[in-house]
Amino acid sequence: SQTIHQWPATLVQPVGSPLSLECTVEGTSNPNLYWYRQAAGRGLQLLFYSVGIGQISSEVPQNLSASRPQDRQFILSSKKLLLSDSGFYLCAWSVSGGALETQYFGPGTRLLVL
Amino acid sequence: GESVGLHLPTLSVQEGDNSIINCAYSNSASDYFIWYKQESGKGPQFIIDIRSNMDKRQGQRVTVLLNKTVKHLSLQIAATQPGDSAVYFCAEIVSGGSNYKLTFGKGTLLTVNP
Repeated sequence: SQTIHQWPATLVQPVGSPLSLECTVEGTSNPNLYWYRQAAGRGLQLLFYSVGIGQISSEVPQNLSASRPQDRQFILSSKKLLLSDSGFYLCAWSVSGGALETQYFGPGTRLLVL
Repeated sequence: GESVGLHLPTLSVQEGDNSIINCAYSNSASDYFIWYKQESGKGPQFIIDIRSNMDKRQGQRVTVLLNKTVKHLSLQIAATQPGDSAVYFCAEIVSGGSNYKLTFGKGTLLTVNP
């Protein structure tokens, strides 16, 4: 069966510090991968998605970047965090090439920028 | 703006009652709809899905109804239990190209009173 992992689970960082959040998927090959941000009491905002190694699409202009160095690894980064980067970050995967793709989410990383 | 929305942001029910959570969508080209459950501090969990060529689909204690005429989706939970307390999101996918992006509603908070 497929599983998706995220770490760290929680993170407190000062403004201006760098960020690296990691997501890995097990039990599937060549998945589509997604990064979302969820502000408190709000819906899910798609930040990035990737259909393959080194292929990243950005959905919104922001202070963040994403990379996919391996097939089942997706990394969310920032060189300098802003207060507005605080939130709950979710990674998700879906089967690539399918006609109708359900996305399956990881446990999330809660980021607090102070 | 988002094309998927919810009629009620909160819903409070008594344990054992049936719950109905509603969702409206505006894009008639949407092919596929998903309901997710998100418990506090966790990632969204897939509950049930339905394709646009179906009107109804049943799972364990849950039923999803799709009314394409009025672009309305609902999730019915039978014999609601305290463990059902969570935020419920509907999501839609518009098929096209090689990537399928989910559009999420803001969510409905379901509270089950003992």
